[in-house]
This record gives sequence, structure tokens and C-alpha cells, in this order.
Amino acid sequence: GQQVMQIPQYQHVQEGEDFTTYCNSSTTLSNIQWYKQRPGGHPVFLIQLVKSGEVKKQKRLTFQFGEAKKNSSLHITATQTTDVGTYFCAGANNNAGKSTFGDGTTLTVKP
Amino acid sequence: NAGVMQNPRHLVRRRGQEARLRCSPVKGHSHVYWYRQLPEEGLKFMVYLQKENIIDESGMPKERFSAEFPKEGPSILRIQQVVRGDSAAYFCASARQLNTEAFFGQGTRLTVV
Repeated sequence: GQQVMQIPQYQHVQEGEDFTTYCNSSTTLSNIQWYKQRPGGHPVFLIQLVKSGEVKKQKRLTFQFGEAKKNSSLHITATQTTDVGTYFCAGANNNAGKSTFGDGTTLTVKP
Repeated sequence: NAGVMQNPRHLVRRRGQEARLRCSPVKGHSHVYWYRQLPEEGLKFMVYLQKENIIDESGMPKERFSAEFPKEGPSILRIQQVVRGDSAAYFCASARQLNTEAFFGQGTRLTVV
């Protein structure tokens, strides 16, 4: 079945440093979504990427979808303490009928 | 414009009892997903439903677990004869269409004692 892997599992950074999490799928995806879950909270949708090579920005966050539509990345520039949480990617293959979540990257930011 | 409503937020059950978790999707959403999350772990897919139909239950244990999404009323995830290993957070998400933005509820934290 479809597998979605995320690395790293954990990332600890000093406030102001950059952060990147990577998502890799075993199969070609029709789209990929990114979610953020704060500690003790629930996942919140951030963005969806659909096109090969797509790049989208949300303030300090940059999302990329690979040319082969099998990988994606989320990059945060100059992290802040409000960025702490777990970032999940979810890859969809329309033939599979649902999105498959990666295990997430948990970001901690030291002030 | 209410989001996904899950109740109860916290549920404590003794081993062998039944747990019923409810999820009311966003108004107008006909796609509902259930996920299980253990502490410090990711979201594990359990089941995907559309109104009155189970589309994909490949992530749900064959025994003791069942789910429904009736024509009227919330989606229900039912766990019979709960065991300690069922303790987890159960999240429901709804979407307007397949594989579009999913809105998550705040989850039900089940503790089996």
C-alpha cells in the first residue's frame, strides 16, 4: 500500500534558526496536504499542493511539491516559539480513496 | 459556522465496557474520516465514510470496532469490550470532497482503566 515517510522525527532549534521537514511517498501523489498540530491540540490544515514543482508561501512558511510528485517539503524561516508543534504531511492518491499521513515532525523552539 | 464537533472530549471506560465516540461534521461535508493517535505518535487512519456508506475501513481492527455515518445525525465510532490498548486520542475529520482540505475535530481522549 501507499506509504508516506517524514523526516526528521524531531527537530530542536534555537529561535531565529530555520527549519525544514521532508515528506516522501512510495507512490506518485495526486496532491499533498500539510497540517500543524500544537501540543495537546488537533491537526489544522495549512495548505494543499497539486501541481508538479509547485511552490507556495505563507509568510515565513514555504511549501514545495517535487517534480515527480513523490516528495514535498515545508521550510520555516526564522522560527518563532509560536511555530512549535508537530507538522504532518498527508499524501493523496486518488486511486487509494484517502490521504495517508506521515508520522510527523515535531518541532521545538528554544527562546 | 461550526467546525467539526466531537464528543465527549474525554471518556473513561473500564475494561470490557463499550465506548461510543460521536462526530458531527462541518455542515455540508459528506466525507468523514476517523483517525487514532497514540501519545507522541502520528495519525493512523481507521475508516472513511460517506453518508450511510463505509468507503474504506482498512485501518480499523476487524473485531470490536465499528463505524457508521447515518443519513441523519453524527458519525459514530463504536468500540466494544475496550482494552487498555484502546486508550488513545480519536480524531474525526470531515471534508467537502474526497482528498480536499480536511477539518479536524478536537478529538476524544479515551482512557481505559
